[in-house]
Amino acid sequence: DVKVTQSSRYLVKRTGEKVFLECVQDMDHENMFWYRQDPGLGLRLIYFSYDVKMKEKGDIPEGYSVSREKKERFSLILESASTNQTSMYLCASSLMGQSNTEAFFGQGTRLTVV
Amino acid sequence: QQPVQSPQAVILREGEDAVINCSSSKALYSVHWYRQKHGEAPIFLMILLKGGEQKGHDKISASFNEKKQQSSLYLTASQLSYSGTYFCGTEPYYNQGGKLIFGQGTELSVKP
Repeated sequence: DVKVTQSSRYLVKRTGEKVFLECVQDMDHENMFWYRQDPGLGLRLIYFSYDVKMKEKGDIPEGYSVSREKKERFSLILESASTNQTSMYLCASSLMGQSNTEAFFGQGTRLTVV
Repeated sequence: QQPVQSPQAVILREGEDAVINCSSSKALYSVHWYRQKHGEAPIFLMILLKGGEQKGHDKISASFNEKKQQSSLYLTASQLSYSGTYFCGTEPYYNQGGKLIFGQGTELSVKP
């Protein structure tokens, strides 16, 4: 059974903390994504990675950075968490360069910044 | 830039039909459709590639008009299990490496 695993389902962090959200996939996919999901706004792309150490900004990268040191792992970093980053974060992965393949999603991490 | 989905929400009775639309301001290479149930991860439904193809999966089908940069998802004879939020994901023509930009979602509720 294919899997995208996010390290935490729920996180509560304080304003100004550095926050790491981890995502691991076991399908040997080249592409990995971080999305943020907010009511009425859908899934907004934060960052996209198409290979180890390769990344591309999405629509809302401000306040976030990413790290991909190994193919199976893609980390989202909030350098200094703020309350407006309270949200559901979804990680996904897919095969590279093949538009007829689906993206697989993790269960999501609900982050609350207080 | 996010594609625009319409309607934002729809309520159906079992057995009724629905259409969900997805429009992009950019030329598209492909359109993906996903369904997300409350508290769960989005699940893939289908992909449509350029060429104006139409696909079907049980009683759910979709079309893709690349000239209009639009896709539509058709749900016929809806079942209670169809309830959830539907997202279209678009792959821009200029960036075909699989980068997906999703719409804001359409919430579908099917009542008995």
